[in-house]
Parts: sequence; C-alpha cells; structure tokens
Amino acid sequence: GQNIDQPTEMTATEGAIVQINCTYQTSGFNGLFWYQQHAGEAPTFLSYNVLDGLEEKGRFSSFLSRSKGYSYLLLKELQMKDSASYLCAVMDSNYQLIWGAGTKLIIKP
Amino acid sequence: IAGITQAPTSQILAAGRRMTLRCTQDMRHNAMYWYRQDLGLGLRLIHYSNTAGTTGKGEVPDGYSVSRANTDDFPLTLASAVPSQTSVYFCASSAGTSGTDTQYFGPGTRLTVL
Repeated sequence: GQNIDQPTEMTATEGAIVQINCTYQTSGFNGLFWYQQHAGEAPTFLSYNVLDGLEEKGRFSSFLSRSKGYSYLLLKELQMKDSASYLCAVMDSNYQLIWGAGTKLIIKP
Repeated sequence: IAGITQAPTSQILAAGRRMTLRCTQDMRHNAMYWYRQDLGLGLRLIHYSNTAGTTGKGEVPDGYSVSRANTDDFPLTLASAVPSQTSVYFCASSAGTSGTDTQYFGPGTRLTVL
C-alpha cells in the first residue's frame, strides 16, 4: 500500500528553527509537495521537490532524498503566524497526490 | 480574480437527502479534484477530472458522483447522504496533471450529515 508518515504534532519557540520530517512509500514518484494549512482554512502550496537536495525559499527550505523515501521541511526564524498544520504529499505513478495526515506545529512565545 | 470558489460554506443535511457541492475556478485550469479531509487522516481524493468532459475515480469514490461539463465547474453530488460523509470537502485545480502542476485549493465546504 501507499503510505506517508509525518509526526502528528510538534512544538517550537518563536524565533527558533524547526524541522518537520516526512517518510513515504508510494507506487512511483513524481515529486513531493509541502503545503501549509491554517486551522479552518484551505491548504496552500509551500514547496515542490523532484530531485534530491535542498530547495530554499526564504525562511522555508525543503529537502528530498528519493533513495531513502524521506523529506523534511525546515522553518527558520519562526513566527507566531507559522502556527499551522504542514502537509506532506507525494505524487505517485498515476500523477495523483497521496497525502500525509499533517503535522500540527504549535509556536510558543 | 477569485481563484476557486466553493458553495455552500457549510451545510447540515439529513441522512438520505441529495446534496450538490459546487466548485468553480476562473484560472482556466484543465484539471480539477475533489478531496475530503477528516480528523487524523490525510486528504483523500474522491473524484478528479483531467480535462473538461472527462472524470475519474479517486481513492474514496463510493456514494459520490461528479460531472465536468465545462472547464470552470466541477460539482460533487451525494445522491443519498450518510453520516460517514460528514467531513470537510475541498475542491482543487491545477493547470495540468504533471508533477510540476501545483494544486490550488478552494476554501472548503463543511458538511454534517445527521
């Protein structure tokens, strides 16, 4: 079966750095996405990785290792507005997204 | 530009009733999707459409139907609602269906079936 695993909840301090991990087992791989979802709102796109390595976009970076079936999202200089759920999704061989359950990130002052 | 709109925002429905959730996008995207999101679970694909006139079944299609008569609209119908269909429903669209085509989401419809 297809499976995406990520921690259910994480807590971090404002101004700090946090790393949210995602491991996956899917039938085929056509890229990995990270989305942010604030409570009661729609998911919004953060990043896309299809090749191994680190993609940096401002305070957010995303890393992919295809051989390990592993990705992480790195958030730097955390702000209170970063409190949200972070969803990892993998595009499988049918070009359909398989979603993890999401990691709820709680930022404390 | 509105992006993707969904209606209604929320709805309480009696079991056995028929309900259509509406989704409209103004980005001229080819592909559209319907997901449901339940607590503790990832988004699950119900139905999708890669282009106007075509539809396909996702992971959890039973009890739902869709149509794609034109590029902009992608309604989701529950023919006879059951309590297990209580969920938040998101419509999404993407320009195409390749790995680089980001999916953009509507604001969601919160549906409660009693």
